[in-house]
Parts: sequence; C-alpha cells; structure tokens
Amino acid sequence: LAKTTQPISMDSYEGQEVNITCSHNNIATNDYITWYQQFPSQGPRFIIQGYKTKVTNEVASLFIPADRKSSTLSLPRVSLSDTAVYYCLVGDPLNTDKLIFGTGTRLQVFP
Amino acid sequence: DTGVSQDPRHKITKRGQNVTFRCDPISEHNRLYWYRQTLGQGPEFLTYFQNEAQLEKSRLLSDRFSAERPKGSFSTLEIQRTEQGDSAMYLCASSLIGSGGYGADTQYFGPGTRLTVL
Repeated sequence: LAKTTQPISMDSYEGQEVNITCSHNNIATNDYITWYQQFPSQGPRFIIQGYKTKVTNEVASLFIPADRKSSTLSLPRVSLSDTAVYYCLVGDPLNTDKLIFGTGTRLQVFP
Repeated sequence: DTGVSQDPRHKITKRGQNVTFRCDPISEHNRLYWYRQTLGQGPEFLTYFQNEAQLEKSRLLSDRFSAERPKGSFSTLEIQRTEQGDSAMYLCASSLIGSGGYGADTQYFGPGTRLTVL
C-alpha cells in the first residue's frame, strides 16, 4: 500500500484559498487518490477522488501531476466551518476496499 | 435522517466487562465497515462485510472482538473482557458496490461510538 505524507497542520484565514499537498512516492498504477474530511466528534466525510490531472467538484479541486507522486487538495475561499482534519488516502479499488488513513492535516481557519 | 447511525454514542465501562455496539448503515448499502480511532490518529480498519459475509479482518481485531451482520443490514461489534487499551472511537461506515465507478466506492461514516474503559 502506498504510504502518504502530509503536513501535520496548516493555518489559514477566512476567504483564502488553502492548498494541502500529499506525497505518495510509491503510488501504484491502479491506485486512486481520495481525500476525506473529519470534524471533531464526527466520522470522516468524502471530499474528492481522482486518478490523474485535475478533478473539481462543488467543494474542492484535486490536482495530480503527471508522475502522480503527489497530489494537492485545493479549498477555495475557506470559512471557519472548514476547520477540520483532512486525510489523503491512496489505494487500489480493485484490490482492497478498506481505507488506510494516515494522521492527516489539521487545518485551522481563523477569522 | 437516512445516514449511518450508531448506538450508543458514548459508552463507559469497567475493565473486564463486555460491550456491544450497533451500526445501522444506509439502507441500500451492501458493504459495511468498522474502524477504530484513537486521539490524534486517523481511523484504523478493523473489519468489513459484504452483505452477511465478513470478508476481511484486521490483525488489530483480537479474539476478544467479534462482529456480525446477520441479515445483511445492521451490524454489531462486541468486545469481550474490555481492556483500557480498547478506549477509542469506534466508527462504522457503509458503501454501495460500484458507486465509485473505476475508483473506490465512497464510504459514508456514522458519528461513532466513544468507548471509555476505566
């Protein structure tokens, strides 16, 4: 399983764009990259998933370079409610159904 | 509310006691997962079911742990002879096979059951 490395924590202010980068140097050909968000005392929540290039949904964008050894979650114009832990996960959906979480990135948004 | 529900939300027990948690997944979801999360760490996979069948168990799941999903709907996780090291948040998630297309199926998590073993 590809191991992921993320910053432990990040700080931002309301209205700013936040980019969280995840390294996954030994990502395999069939691996997908998935991001989950977790608020205190709640279960994680799916944000976005991608394989290559760029994926965008109503919540975030995911940028994946050609070598796929890293990925960047971009949150546009964050608000206080985006304060949470963000997890980057890498896995082969054809080989495993379980999610392997790291320690995540704790994002703190200030007013 | 049609999300994943877990009961109880909090459980305090004494060391050596048995505890049982219940998870009700989203109704049409055929996969159900159990994870455990300790403070400051990401969730750790414990086991998962596809319908009634338990397809995978983590090495974290010692003999004191047992999970069931008897009718392919709700699931229970029992911990026998609890130890202080069992104190954690126990999370349940469910998913629908194939919902992710070529990617991983989205897992929908419940609010968790926080277990404290005294």
